[in-house]
Amino acid sequence: EAGVAQSPRYKIIEKRQSVAFWCNPISGHATLYWYQQILGQGPKLLIQFQNNGVVDDSQLPKDRFSAERLKGVDSTLKIQPAKLEDSAVYLCASSPRLIGNEQFFGPGTRLTVL
Amino acid sequence: AQTVTQSQPEMSVQEAETVTLSCTYDTSESDYYLFWYKQPPSRQMILVIRQEAYKQQNATENRFSVNFQKAAKSFSLKISDSQLGDAAMYFCAYRSHTTSGTYKYIFGTGTRLKVLA
Repeated sequence: EAGVAQSPRYKIIEKRQSVAFWCNPISGHATLYWYQQILGQGPKLLIQFQNNGVVDDSQLPKDRFSAERLKGVDSTLKIQPAKLEDSAVYLCASSPRLIGNEQFFGPGTRLTVL
Repeated sequence: AQTVTQSQPEMSVQEAETVTLSCTYDTSESDYYLFWYKQPPSRQMILVIRQEAYKQQNATENRFSVNFQKAAKSFSLKISDSQLGDAAMYFCAYRSHTTSGTYKYIFGTGTRLKVLA
C-alpha cells in the first residue's frame, strides 16, 4: 500500500512570496489533515477535510492560508503572502473515516521563509 | 477543550536500558484513544502504540508498553532494551470526536529521546 505523498520536500522563499504544497493521501482515506510543525513543537492542526468538505479550519490563518481538496482525493495548501513565522514543516496525514483509529503521515515539507 | 502535556523536553537513556516518557492530558470525554508517535530526524511520523480508553489493560508492542492511568489522566510510554534506532522525538497524542463524526488529534510538545552507546 502506497503511503501519503507530499511535495516538495523542501522549499525556500522570500517573505511576501507565495508557496503551495501538495498532498496525495492513501487511497480510500476519506479524512485528510494538514498540520504545521514549528521547530521544537508538536504538530498543530491547520485544516481537516472529510472527503472534499472542510471539517475544521479554526486554526487556519485565513488571511494568508488557503487549502482545497478537489474531488476528495489530493489536496493543496497555499500561503500567500508568506511571513517569516511561517517557517515550519507542513505535514499531511490521512485516515479512514470510520474504520481506522490512527493517522498515517507523509514525509512533510520543510518551508524556510527568508 | 482537550490538552496534552509532555513535561520532559529531553530524556537520555543508555543502550539496552529502560526509559519512561511521561504524558498527561485533560478531557471531559470518557471514550477516546491515546497514541504515542515517533518522529526520527527524517521527519516521518510513525505510530508506536495506541491505547483505547475503555480498555483497562495496558497496550504493549514488543519493547514498547504504556502505563495508562485513566483516573489520573496519565499515559506514559516505557521503552525497554533501548536501541540506537529509538533515538527520536516522541509525541503523545489524544484523539477526540468532532461534531461531524470524524476525529481530531491533539499533540503534545514532544520529548526528544537520546540513546547513548
